[in-house]
Amino acid sequence: AQSVAQPEDQVNVAEGNPLTVKCTYSVSGNPYLFWYVQYPNRGLQFLLKYITGDNLVKGSYGFEAEFNKSQTSFHLKKPSALVSDSALYFCAVADYGQNFVFGPGTRLSVLP
Amino acid sequence: DTAVSQTPKYLVTQMGNDKSIKCEQNLGHDTMYWYKQDSKKFLKIMFSYNNKELIINETVPNRFSPKSPDKAHLNLHINSLELGDSAVYFCASSPHPNEKLFFGSGTQLSVL
Repeated sequence: AQSVAQPEDQVNVAEGNPLTVKCTYSVSGNPYLFWYVQYPNRGLQFLLKYITGDNLVKGSYGFEAEFNKSQTSFHLKKPSALVSDSALYFCAVADYGQNFVFGPGTRLSVLP
Repeated sequence: DTAVSQTPKYLVTQMGNDKSIKCEQNLGHDTMYWYKQDSKKFLKIMFSYNNKELIINETVPNRFSPKSPDKAHLNLHINSLELGDSAVYFCASSPHPNEKLFFGSGTQLSVL
C-alpha cells in the first residue's frame, strides 16, 4: 500500500529566505508524485508533479521539487519565500493505476 | 468560468436528515472524485468514477451514495446524517487516473 509522510506540521520562514517542505513516500512500483497548495477556504491547487525524467521538477509560482529515489523523498523548495506563499501544502503519491494518497499537510508561514 | 464547481458551499443540517452535494466539471475530464477533509485537514478519497462508472469505493458508510448521471457530473447523496459527517467535502476531476487533480472549492458540511 502506498503512503506519504510530511514530517513537519508547521514550517516558519522569513520572507526572502529559501524554504523547504519535506515529503517522503512509500509505493511498491514507480511513484507518481504531486504537490498541491491549499489557501484558506479554497480547494487544493496543483503546483507540480514528477512522473519520470529529470529529478528536479519546476512548477507554479517559482516552486520546485527534487525527486530522490534512494531516500524516497520529494521535497518542495523555493529559493526566496513570499508572504503570499503562506498556506497549507500537501504532498500526494500514487502507484500506477491507483488513486492518490495525500500526506497530512504542512502549514507554511512566511513572516514579513 | 469555474472548472470544477460544487454546490452548495455551506450546508448546515440536523442529525438524521438526508442531503445532497452537486458537482460539475467543464474540463471534459473522464475521471471524477469525492474527497473528505476532516477538521485536522486530513484528506481522504471516498469515491472515484471513470466515465460514469465507479472504479473505487473506499471504506465509507453506505449512507453515502455517489451518482454520476453523465461524465461531467458527480453528485454525493448522504442519508441519515451523523455528527461525524461534519467535514469539508471536495469534488475533483482529472483527465485520467494518475493525472493532476482539479479541485472544486469545497462544501463545508455541519451536522448539528
